[in-house]
Formats: sequence, structure tokens, C-alpha cells
Amino acid sequence: DVKVTQSSRYLVKRTGEKVFLECVQDMDHENMFWYRQDPGLGLRLIYFSYDVKMKEKGDIPEGYSVSREKKERFSLILESASTNQTSMYLCASSLGVEVSPLHFGNGTRLTVT
Amino acid sequence: GQQVMQIPQYQHVQEGEDFTTYCNSSTTLSNIQWYKQRPGGHPVFLIQLVKSGEVKKQKRLTFQFGEAKKNSSLHITATQTTDVGTYFCAGRTGAGSYQLTFGKGTKLSVIP
Repeated sequence: DVKVTQSSRYLVKRTGEKVFLECVQDMDHENMFWYRQDPGLGLRLIYFSYDVKMKEKGDIPEGYSVSREKKERFSLILESASTNQTSMYLCASSLGVEVSPLHFGNGTRLTVT
Repeated sequence: GQQVMQIPQYQHVQEGEDFTTYCNSSTTLSNIQWYKQRPGGHPVFLIQLVKSGEVKKQKRLTFQFGEAKKNSSLHITATQTTDVGTYFCAGRTGAGSYQLTFGKGTKLSVIP
């Protein structure tokens, strides 16, 4: 069974801090994704990666960056956290074919104060 | 960009009643996926539809993909309390696209 592990379930950071959200998958999936989920807005794609060191912007990349140095790990970075980045962050992975489903991690609820 | 609209946003049903959520895309989709998110949980993949007019069933759940591949629906017959959660559709455009665009979801409450 695919396992996608996010390093923290809850995180509280201060405005202006640099924040790292880590995600690891154990199924050798090519694709990895970062979404944020907000009430009434559904899931919005921040960034995705289809290969090591490759990244593509999603719908809302502003204020975020990502890093994928190894196939199994995909990091989301908030360079300078702001209160409007308070949200649930979901990492997902999938095989490198178009019809592959997403496997999500349990999510990190980030609060920026 | 691509938009996927999903209605209704909320649905409250009495246990045993049927439930349907609808998904409409502004562009033709190559395939559509459905996910369920239980309260406090993460989205879990339910099914994928690829062909125009495709209908798939999973026990009490029936999934349809429109002839024009721009809309889809999920119908649950005789809801149970275990059906509670938020149901999301997610569509892909074009060959070679890895990006899924999610609808905003329909939150289903089932009154016992």
C-alpha cells in the first residue's frame, strides 16, 4: 500500500519565518504534488514535480517554492510566512502516467500568527 | 485556466435517501477522478472515468462521465451514515497533463 508521510500534523509559525513542509512517499512514484485546502475553496494546486529536480507551478504558487532533490521527497517552502498562508497543506504522489490516481498524505495544518 | 465547478456545495439527507453531486468543466477533460474525504481525513481515490459516456458502479455508488467529457456525476443510492464526508471530482485536460483540477467538493451529511 502506498504511504505518503508528511512530517508534521500541526505546525504553528510566526509571520516572517521560513517554513519547511516535508513529504516522503515510499512507492517510487514519479509525480509529487502540494495542495492547500481551505474551507469553501477546495483543493488548490501550489506546485508539482514530475521528476527529480523538476518542478512546475500550479494555480497558486505565489509565496511558495519547492525542492525535490530525491525522488521520494518533496519539500514545500514558505520563504516568509504570512497569515494568509494559514491552511491545511496536503502532499500527494502518483505514478508517472496520466491516468494514475493521487495518493495523499494526512496533511499538515499550518497556523501562521 | 481550466475550471471545474461542483454542485451542490452542501447536501443534508435522511439516511436511506439518495444523493447526487455534479461536476462541470469549462474544457473537455481527458479523464475525471472522484475522491472522498472523511471528516478529519485526507482525500481518498474512489474511481476514474476515461471514456465518453462511461458509467461505473461501486456497490451503491454510480459514476457517470458525460458524452462530451465535460461533466460527471456521482450518485449514491440509499445513503448510510458511513457515506458522510466531502466528495471531490478532479479533472485532467489534454494528453500528457499531470495536473488535476479539483472541484470545490460537496459535503454530505447523513441524518440517521
